Amino acid sequence: QKEVEQDPGPLSVPEGAIVSLNCTYSNSAFQYFMWYRQYSRKGPELLMYTYSSGNKEDGRFTAQVDKSSKYISLFIRDSQPSDSATYLCAMSAYAGNNRKLIWGLGTSLAVNP
Amino acid sequence: DAGVIQSPRHEVTEMGQEVTLRCKPISGHDYLFWYRQTMMRGLELLIYFNNNVPIDDSGMPEDRFSAKMPNASFSTLKIQPSEPRDSAVYFCASSFADLEQFFGPGTRLTVL
Repeated sequence: QKEVEQDPGPLSVPEGAIVSLNCTYSNSAFQYFMWYRQYSRKGPELLMYTYSSGNKEDGRFTAQVDKSSKYISLFIRDSQPSDSATYLCAMSAYAGNNRKLIWGLGTSLAVNP
Repeated sequence: DAGVIQSPRHEVTEMGQEVTLRCKPISGHDYLFWYRQTMMRGLELLIYFNNNVPIDDSGMPEDRFSAKMPNASFSTLKIQPSEPRDSAVYFCASSFADLEQFFGPGTRLTVL
């Protein structure tokens, strides 16, 4: 079993839909949770960054962490064609100079006009 | 800031040849990461450095792969000899104060 599980999709939604992307993990030591967005033929870029449990909102994006269930989610409201990309979750226990991130496979999202 | 710079952007080579990928991290960043990305395996960490010193190379697949960071502004990833299964996109990333990693545009490697 991989440490981080993420459904690769692909996910296809109409413009304006609410999108829910999810990851599950097995390591209870993870404290830091990230969502990266990767456009085609580009490097990943950080979208959202949360510590421990709870919600964080940034514009149309909301990140949720449920440590009791070892489950994290990214919600996209009013989705736009420009949101079409691959979304990768990443996690870390972050101790000392350990900067290793554990990555999900990524979910490919297409938002259709 | 120019961001993380990688070269070449595309590399096509024949099996058995030596391949050298290059990376210039963002100035002032003290961590540098090398990743490989494929459809089947996703983003895999190969090795990372802190202040030019390798911290974790457990992801380097085998002895054919080697990485160096001779100074704070330059790193190389070398594959010798290359094999078709090494075909992938190789990313370099750098970071400074926290966990956020800044990725370069990647090098698309094809080994025939």
